[in-house]
Parts: sequence; structure tokens; C-alpha cells
Amino acid sequence: AQTVTQSQPEMSVQEAETVTLSCTYDTSESNYYLFWYKQPPSRQMILVIRQEAYKQQNATENRFSVNFQKAAKSFSLKISDSQLGDTAMYFCAFMTPPGNTPLVFGKGTRLSVIA
Amino acid sequence: DAGITQSPRHKVTETGTPVTLRCHQTENHRYMYWYRQDPGHGLRLIHYSYGVKDTDKGEVSDGYSVSRSKTEDFLLTLESATSSQTSVYFCAISGGAGNEQFFGPGTRLTVL
Repeated sequence: AQTVTQSQPEMSVQEAETVTLSCTYDTSESNYYLFWYKQPPSRQMILVIRQEAYKQQNATENRFSVNFQKAAKSFSLKISDSQLGDTAMYFCAFMTPPGNTPLVFGKGTRLSVIA
Repeated sequence: DAGITQSPRHKVTETGTPVTLRCHQTENHRYMYWYRQDPGHGLRLIHYSYGVKDTDKGEVSDGYSVSRSKTEDFLLTLESATSSQTSVYFCAISGGAGNEQFFGPGTRLTVL
């Protein structure tokens, strides 16, 4: 069974600084999908970024980017120019092929952005 | 935003009573999921559906049943609620080429 580990339960960052959230996973699959979701205090789950394992290029969405290291089974999220609105729980999630299968989530990292 | 609603949004009930949570989508997506969120556990899969009348169990399915009689609705039933089922319940849908799952707003259930 696949597992996802987020080793940092809580983190904090100063506004405008950069922060990196860690995620590792365990799988025997060669192709799969990885996601980062954000959950602000409103409780809504918001997709931040996704990565397909067969793509070597790291995904980027505005201030959010990932460092995908397939051999190390690592999928970290970098947030640049942190904003107060980035304060949230962040969940790393794994999806097996062929897609549209259930997500396996990590336990989350609570990020606080400090003014 | 994807058209997903959950009802009720909040519910307080007593141990032993039946509870049904409803997920409704307007996106005509094939796949629907129920997850529960508990502190220290992230989100865990309860049941999911890959089509009308087609469902399968997830990691934490004991004490839950589901039904999907039409594409847009996915019901989660707690036949006899227990305090361990106090949680926040999320419905999600998927069906696009990008495999993203889109989540509903969640239902906070408290079992006294």
C-alpha cells in the first residue's frame, strides 16, 4: 500500500520569505500522480499544484513550485514571497494510475505566515 | 469552482441514531469519494464510487455504507452513529483529464 509522510507538523515563515514543505512517499508504481492541497481556516480543500511522475520537469504555479525527486520519492513544495493568505494546512497526496483513483494523504503541515 | 455541495453542513446527533450525509455535484463527473478528516490523520478514504451503483470500500469503511443511484448524488450513511465517527466529512469528485479531485465544503458531524 502507498504511504505519504509529511515530517513537519508545523512551520512558520515571515511574510515575503520563502518556505519549503517536505513530503515523501512510498510506492512500487513507476507512474503516478502527486498533489499538494491547501486547507485554510475556512476548511475548503484547494488544489495548489500537481505533478505527473513521468514528467521530469517540476511543476510551477505562480509562487508555488515543487521539487520532484523520483528516485528519492520526494515531493517538496516551495512557496515564494509568502503572503498572509498562505496561512493554512498543507496536504501532500498520492494517486495511483490510471488516475481518478482515491487519494492517499499525508497528515499535513500547518503553515503560519507571520507579518 | 466545481459544483459540489454537501448537506447538512453541520450536524449534532446522539449515539445509536442513523445519519445520512449527502453529496451533490453538477459537473457530471463519473467518480465520487467520501473522506473523513481527523486531527493527526489527514484525510482518509471511507468509500468511493466509479459510476452509478458502482462503489468500493476505502481504508476506514467500517460502520459506513454508501449509495449512488444517479450520477449527481452520493450518499454516506452511518447506520448507528458512534462517538468515534465524530469528524469532518468531505466529498470529492473527479473525472477530468488532469485527475484532479475537487472537494465539497465539508460536513462537521458530532456524535454525542
